[in-house]
Amino acid sequence: QVQLVESGGGVVQPGGSLRLSCAASGFSFTTYGMHWVRQAPGKGLEWVAFTLFDGSNAYYADSVKGRFTISRDNSKNTVYLQMNSLRGDDTSLYYCAKVSDWGLYFDYWGQGTLVTVSS
Amino acid sequence: EIVLTQSPATLSLSPGERATLSCRASQSVSKYLGWYQQKPGQAPRLLIYDASNRATGIPARFSGSGSGTDFTLTISSLEPGDFAVYYCQQRSSWPLTFGGGTKVEIK
Repeated sequence: QVQLVESGGGVVQPGGSLRLSCAASGFSFTTYGMHWVRQAPGKGLEWVAFTLFDGSNAYYADSVKGRFTISRDNSKNTVYLQMNSLRGDDTSLYYCAKVSDWGLYFDYWGQGTLVTVSS
Repeated sequence: EIVLTQSPATLSLSPGERATLSCRASQSVSKYLGWYQQKPGQAPRLLIYDASNRATGIPARFSGSGSGTDFTLTISSLEPGDFAVYYCQQRSSWPLTFGGGTKVEIK
């Protein structure tokens, strides 16, 4: 069965950096694009970033463009989110999600990793 | 950026009743709209893709309709496990965007 396990969250000061990881299993990782989606405490969902199956291209929300970088290592079945210049409004639960077979939807999600930006 | 507006914000209904949730896009997304269900403490679950297609394993009481800018998610007869927050999401153009959500609560 498909499993996505995020890690790397924690508490970081404003202006700091953090790298999130998402280990995937149970599907052919090298043939699927992957997303990061976040959810601030008590708030709705916000798409963050997407990487193509081979890492050749990436897309970002305007709110993180220039600060966050999505990447993947297909030899390790892992997708990453490098987050720099973190701000208070980046505080969220960060989910990785697999792109669906029917286009740019999210058909499998991890349980999320919490990032708190606070001094 | 395409803005998705969901209404109502909260829907108070009883088990067995019909739920009708709306999602309106700021510009046409053609048929490229999906719906998700999220329960407290859980990740979202894809219910509907491309406006009207049920995702794998989704019960037939969930149905979607619409195209262009106006979309509807209908739950024909609410079961206890259906009380949750529902989000719409468009894949028509970058950046991908979600609506603000509709909470379906027990009346």
